[in-house]
Amino acid sequence: DAMVIQNPRYQVTQFGKPVTLSCSQTLNHNVMYWYQQKSSQAPKLLFHYYDKDFNNEADTPDNFQSRRPNTSFCFLDIRSPGLGDAAMYLCATSINRDRLYEQYFGPGTRLTVT
Amino acid sequence: SQQGEEDPQALSIQEGENATMNCSYKTSINNLQWYRQNSGRGLVHLILIRSNEREKHSGRLRVTLDTSKKSSSLLITASRAADTASYFCATIAGGTSYGKLTFGQGTILTVHP
Repeated sequence: DAMVIQNPRYQVTQFGKPVTLSCSQTLNHNVMYWYQQKSSQAPKLLFHYYDKDFNNEADTPDNFQSRRPNTSFCFLDIRSPGLGDAAMYLCATSINRDRLYEQYFGPGTRLTVT
Repeated sequence: SQQGEEDPQALSIQEGENATMNCSYKTSINNLQWYRQNSGRGLVHLILIRSNEREKHSGRLRVTLDTSKKSSSLLITASRAADTASYFCATIAGGTSYGKLTFGQGTILTVHP
């Protein structure tokens, strides 16, 4: 089945130690999104790629970076994780960037910062 | 600022009953979507309603949209234990050039067998 895959499902990192989260998709969608969801809160968009075009949200901290080496893969890099970065990170895709398209979400990676 | 506010925050019902969740938003929208999230998992798209639509159905789901009141409701009929999840409304603002979803806080639905 076509899907959005996130690895790992659970990630523990130390305060200040860089960490990379991975997302891959078999849907061949043009757009890939990264959301941050803290406990009992709504998901919040960090940034998205429209093909190779990177689009950062204005309030996303510089500590968060992303790479999309090809259509299928997208990575979220946290350069110096703080305790406040502990959250579920959700990757999503959509066929195109048009407002009418639904988004398909992966299962998420739960990040713990010690 | 948060676009969508949902109410109730938590809802507990018996299997077979109907569940109604409400969502309010602040700015003009292009469309409103509802997503389900099972505990500790990703979100699953349920239904999309455009700003020029008033009601939409999909299986046991019924969504209404009142743009004059800036509100939407999701009705799940004949609920099942498997419907236990968090439900989020998400809006796409009018005038935006891309599909940025802004989520509400969510309603936690528990359906008891």
